[in-house]
Amino acid sequence: GIQVEQSPPDLILQEGANSTLRCNFSDSVNNLQWFHQNPWGQLINLFYIPSGTKQNGRLSATTVATERYSLLYISSSQTTDSGVYFCAVFTGANSKLTFGKGITLSVRP
Amino acid sequence: DTEVTQTPKHLVMGMTNKKSLKCEQHMGHRAMYWYKQKAKKPPELMFVYSYEKLSINESVPSRFSPECPNSSLLNLHLHALQPEDSALYLCASSLLPFLSSGNTIYFGEGSWLTVV
Repeated sequence: GIQVEQSPPDLILQEGANSTLRCNFSDSVNNLQWFHQNPWGQLINLFYIPSGTKQNGRLSATTVATERYSLLYISSSQTTDSGVYFCAVFTGANSKLTFGKGITLSVRP
Repeated sequence: DTEVTQTPKHLVMGMTNKKSLKCEQHMGHRAMYWYKQKAKKPPELMFVYSYEKLSINESVPSRFSPECPNSSLLNLHLHALQPEDSALYLCASSLLPFLSSGNTIYFGEGSWLTVV
């Protein structure tokens, strides 16, 4: 099946710093989503982005489908950005979403 | 409204108990999902319901029994669980069963289950 790798596994930032989170996938996809899981467990949709670039406030994402990677940019980080960021992809074979292992982000005040 | 509601938020149950987790969405979505998530791991798919019929069972033990009474509701019945079943259980839904182009999946807040 498809492999999804996220990097770095852990990231510690000072409040106000910028960061880039990466997601590599091993096969072509027709659905890619970024999620933020907060400390209470809720998985929050950030972006649906199988290709192209999207922006939402301080967050933006770019997926280069031909090169099989996606990037999530966080600018001017805040302590509320802390949590785990998951990239998840779907290849169309069934309803199974394949998650990466996640990136744990800690933003220090 | 992109909301998936799960109850209860927290559940502690003994190994001989029978309990249920509930999930509800009013977005008109025709696919609903149960995921299980252990600490520091990504969510793992358990079941998929497509148009109220079970379409995927990821070889889940029979002590977990899903039920989809109607297009808005999804239950997970729990019986004779083991301590290793303690985890966060996430419900999700999507407009269509196949997560193809433009079909986003939405997750609930989850139910934290502890088996003692």
